[in-house]
Amino acid sequence: KNEVEQSPQNLTAQEGEFITINCSYSVGISALHWLQQHPGGGIVSLFMLSSGKKKHGRLIATINIQEKHSSLHITASHPRDSAVYICAVTGGATNKLIFGTGTLLAVQP
Amino acid sequence: NAGVTQTPKFQVLKTGQSMTLQCAQDMNHEYMSWYRQDPGMGLRLIHYSVGAGITDQGEVPNGYNVSRSTTEDFPLRLLSAAPSQTSVYFCASSYRAIGELFFGEGSRLTVL
Repeated sequence: KNEVEQSPQNLTAQEGEFITINCSYSVGISALHWLQQHPGGGIVSLFMLSSGKKKHGRLIATINIQEKHSSLHITASHPRDSAVYICAVTGGATNKLIFGTGTLLAVQP
Repeated sequence: NAGVTQTPKFQVLKTGQSMTLQCAQDMNHEYMSWYRQDPGMGLRLIHYSVGAGITDQGEVPNGYNVSRSTTEDFPLRLLSAAPSQTSVYFCASSYRAIGELFFGEGSRLTVL
């Protein structure tokens, strides 16, 4: 079992829909990251959080430390949100970054 | 600010050849790291550095060397390329080990 699990692996939505991507982890963590990678592109950090909730524009990230779970929400989704969203945690025995395999999001106009 | 600059973007090697992937950052970040990204797998840590003169192995270090002579630069060396090293490589930096991550644009390496 991977230490960081994301769901769903693939997600198709219509423009304007509210989107939720989930991340569960099995190790103790110092921080959790949400990253965005456009097809063929580089990786951009969206959020780093260790508790509570953060908001940036239409993106909201939450984390529940007790349940070892985080969610990334996208409100009023747009085709330009189409990308792979990656959850990563700093933690485990070595306190290094551990990545999930990503969620491929396609937002259709 | 250029951020994290990674070169080359594309490279084709023959088995047994050596090469160096360059990574430089201009943000005075202490922590730098190299990852490989393969289809169906998450990014995996190859090597990392917590400051000039200090490096350590990650999850998949075999076949790769690194050095950190300056704060700015963290090159990744493939000593004798193998087809299993065909991958997309990303360099990343952060102010400290737990901090916002800044990634380079990636280097797509093919080993024939």
